Amino acid sequence: ELVLTQSPGTLSLSPGERATLSCRASQSVSSTYLAWYQQKPGQALRLLIYGASSRATGVPDRFSGSGSGTDFTLTISGLEPEDFAVYYCQHSDNWYTFGQGTKLEIK
Amino acid sequence: QVQLVESGGGVVQPGRSLRLSCAASGFTFSSSVIHWVRQAPGKGLEWVAVTSSDGGFKHHADSVKGRFTISRDNSVNTLYLQMNSLRGEDTSVYYCARERRPHDAFDIWGQGTMVTVSS
Repeated sequence: ELVLTQSPGTLSLSPGERATLSCRASQSVSSTYLAWYQQKPGQALRLLIYGASSRATGVPDRFSGSGSGTDFTLTISGLEPEDFAVYYCQHSDNWYTFGQGTKLEIK
Repeated sequence: QVQLVESGGGVVQPGRSLRLSCAASGFTFSSSVIHWVRQAPGKGLEWVAVTSSDGGFKHHADSVKGRFTISRDNSVNTLYLQMNSLRGEDTSVYYCARERRPHDAFDIWGQGTMVTVSS
């Protein structure tokens, strides 16, 4: 069974800083099926990145994804106030597995 | 407007049943693979079930297998989740979500409906 482990659990940064969120898989996985989502209170979840590095429609270019094998990264360059939220990675190959989430909070 | 809207949540006693609905609009529902995903209070996301575009294929997470059943009615653009033998650990917000392509990311999500299992 695939397990996705996200780190850190909570990341405290200031607007304008760069955020680096990690998603580590318990076994090597195809990057084709690796996605990142953003969750804000009271809003529908938002797809940010699919295929490990492709931005979804309407996602600002300050969001970028990278990685392969077991290690994947979501980078947010120049944090905006609206970026403070919870972020989840997901893999969708054999079945559908989510990481436990990283909360990005304002420092 | 592309959207999914869940309904049917509420408070239910352990052992009882509940049926959730997810109404789709703004896209071709009958061509879309749709999922249920849940989130317990203060916790992360847990995948629950998936159905193919024609409803011919269904798969459920082990945690709900034999108790929950996903189904759909393409004539009314609606997805369902029949939940039987509910337990306290089923207390969650339940979301429906569209799969972008086979085995791909979920690009449309509903706002969710809360299910509380409590006596």
